[in-house]
Amino acid sequence: DTAVSQTPKYLVTQMGNDKSIKCEQNLGHDTMYWYKQDSKKFLKIMFSYNNKELIINETVPNRFSPKSPDKAHLNLHINSLELGDSAVYFCASSPRGSGTHYEQYFGPGTRLTVT
Amino acid sequence: GQNIDQPTEMTATEGAIVQINCTYQTSGFNGLFWYQQHAGEAPTFLSYNVLDGLEEKGRFSSFLSRSKGYSYLLLKELQMKDSASYLCAVSDSSGGSYIPTFGRGTSLIVHP
Repeated sequence: DTAVSQTPKYLVTQMGNDKSIKCEQNLGHDTMYWYKQDSKKFLKIMFSYNNKELIINETVPNRFSPKSPDKAHLNLHINSLELGDSAVYFCASSPRGSGTHYEQYFGPGTRLTVT
Repeated sequence: GQNIDQPTEMTATEGAIVQINCTYQTSGFNGLFWYQQHAGEAPTFLSYNVLDGLEEKGRFSSFLSRSKGYSYLLLKELQMKDSASYLCAVSDSSGGSYIPTFGRGTSLIVHP
């Protein structure tokens, strides 16, 4: 099936640990994203990335770093996890075109719980 | 930057019509999206507006007025499965990027 997939779906870990969330899309899209959705359901962009540029939301702590081994993958690495990092993290992709609109296709989400 | 405002919660009756409003302020408007998100699931794309007017797609329609910084999503013939959160998102081209910023979402509850 063509889709955006994420692993793991659930992640429970302790404060101070380092963890990664993987994302893959087989839609042939040029741009991938990471979003954080907090307990109040507010969906906030963290990163946007294609093979040319990384756009970082300036409010994202530098403990978060995206890593893209290739066009179809954008993993999220988090260092020194904190309680406030607990949220659902969504990966998304879009067929970005210059000056054109693009809908985003979201992965199923990863529920991260930091204890 | 952008400021997006939509009601937190709405309720409606099965079979009825509901309108979810969204107002926004942005410096480089490049389109407005509506997404649907069921509890525990990922957002899914509903509609996109970049020009003024109404876009109709089945039971769902979306309207945009760029001069007023206003959009609404209209849901007709409501069904129980329409109970979900509806997210308004605005794409801003300032700075050369087109990344949409999401509002906080409107939780729609459809009851029998």
